[in-house]
Amino acid sequence: DQQVKQNSPSLSVQEGRISILNCDYTNSMFDYFLWYKKYPAEGPTFLISISSIKDKNEDGRFTVFLNKSAKHLSLHIVPSQPGDSAVYFCAYSGAGSYQLTFGKGTKLSVIP
Amino acid sequence: DAGITQSPRHKVTETGTPVTLRCHQTENHRYMYWYRQDPGHGLRLIHYSYGVKDTDKGEVSDGYSVSRSKTEDFLLTLESATSSQTSVYFCAISDSQGGEKLFFGSGTQLSVL
Repeated sequence: DQQVKQNSPSLSVQEGRISILNCDYTNSMFDYFLWYKKYPAEGPTFLISISSIKDKNEDGRFTVFLNKSAKHLSLHIVPSQPGDSAVYFCAYSGAGSYQLTFGKGTKLSVIP
Repeated sequence: DAGITQSPRHKVTETGTPVTLRCHQTENHRYMYWYRQDPGHGLRLIHYSYGVKDTDKGEVSDGYSVSRSKTEDFLLTLESATSSQTSVYFCAISDSQGGEKLFFGSGTQLSVL
């Protein structure tokens, strides 16, 4: 079974600097990895995704990098803003699966 | 925002009582999901549906049942609530298999005393 691990429960970054959130996975069989952002008292919202055939995907301030040899993906936020303070979940979509499997999340705090 | 409504938003109940949470969508999406979020566990899938009357179990399905009699409604039932089921419950919808780009509801905070 695929596991996704977010080993850092929390991260603090100064406003304007880069935030790097990491996710490791165990199984090479997947279609997509996705990042979701969650504010308190709200549902998670989709942020960015990357397919298994790509190494990088960029959307404005957000870039996701996929290192398949290391089974590692990272989300870069540049520049970080106070509004980025939230919990970030990585999730994977397995080939032929009906569901997403989520990591435990990393709480990002961007300090003004 | 995707048209997803969860009800109730908050509920307090006693151990042993039945509880039903409702998810209603206006997007006509085929796939619907129930997740729970707990500290230290992230989001875990309880049950999902891939069509009317078509449901299957997720990672943490014990103690839960679901029903989907219409495309727009997905019900989650706790037949006999336990304190371990105190959690925040999220409904999600998707128009693609694999759950790419799930759209989540605002959640239901359930407390079982």
